[in-house]
Amino acid sequence: AQSVTQLDSQVPVFEEAPVELRCNYSSSVSVYLFWYVQYPNQGLQLLLKYLSGSTLVKGINGFEAEFNKSQTSFHLRKPSVHISDTAEYFCAVSEVYKGAQKLVFGQGTRLTINP
Amino acid sequence: DGGITQSPKYLFRKEGQNVTLSCEQNLNHDAMYWYRQDPGQGLRLIYYSQIVNDFQKGDIAEGYSVSREKKESFPLTVTSAQKNPTAFYLCASFNPGSPYNEQFFGPGTRLTVL
Repeated sequence: AQSVTQLDSQVPVFEEAPVELRCNYSSSVSVYLFWYVQYPNQGLQLLLKYLSGSTLVKGINGFEAEFNKSQTSFHLRKPSVHISDTAEYFCAVSEVYKGAQKLVFGQGTRLTINP
Repeated sequence: DGGITQSPKYLFRKEGQNVTLSCEQNLNHDAMYWYRQDPGQGLRLIYYSQIVNDFQKGDIAEGYSVSREKKESFPLTVTSAQKNPTAFYLCASFNPGSPYNEQFFGPGTRLTVL
């Protein structure tokens, strides 16, 4: 079974500073990788995804992530954060079981932006 | 607007009572999912359905039941057998035929057992 580890449960950052949220996965097969964002008391919104092709993936709100197969990582980055980026971020890997797509999520990283 | 609706947003129940959470989608997606979210644990899969009248247990199905009588609807019942039901519940849908490979999520229902 696949697993996802988000290495930081909380990340505090000052406004306009860069940020990296770390994600490692375990899989012996080709993977699809996702980053979702969750604002308080809301559902999840897709930030970006890696399916194939270029290892540098750009998403919404200025976020990007790099797929590194040798290190089994998919870290999320933003060069300059804004107060509105305060949210919880989830990394997920897709697995197919009996024809059904299933997402396996990491534990989440709470990003707090301080003025 | 296409999307997923969940109701109610907040739900309170007494111990020993069953409660049903609603999930409706108008995206014409075949697959639907229920997840449970607890602080610091990410999302865990409760049940999923690939097609009408068929569903499969996820990783934490004990104490829950579902039905899929219509493509648009996938209600979740939290039974009295669920030992710790207080959590945030998220419904999602997915189109297996889409190249985008993305699950879409509803806004969630927060269940509190008193």
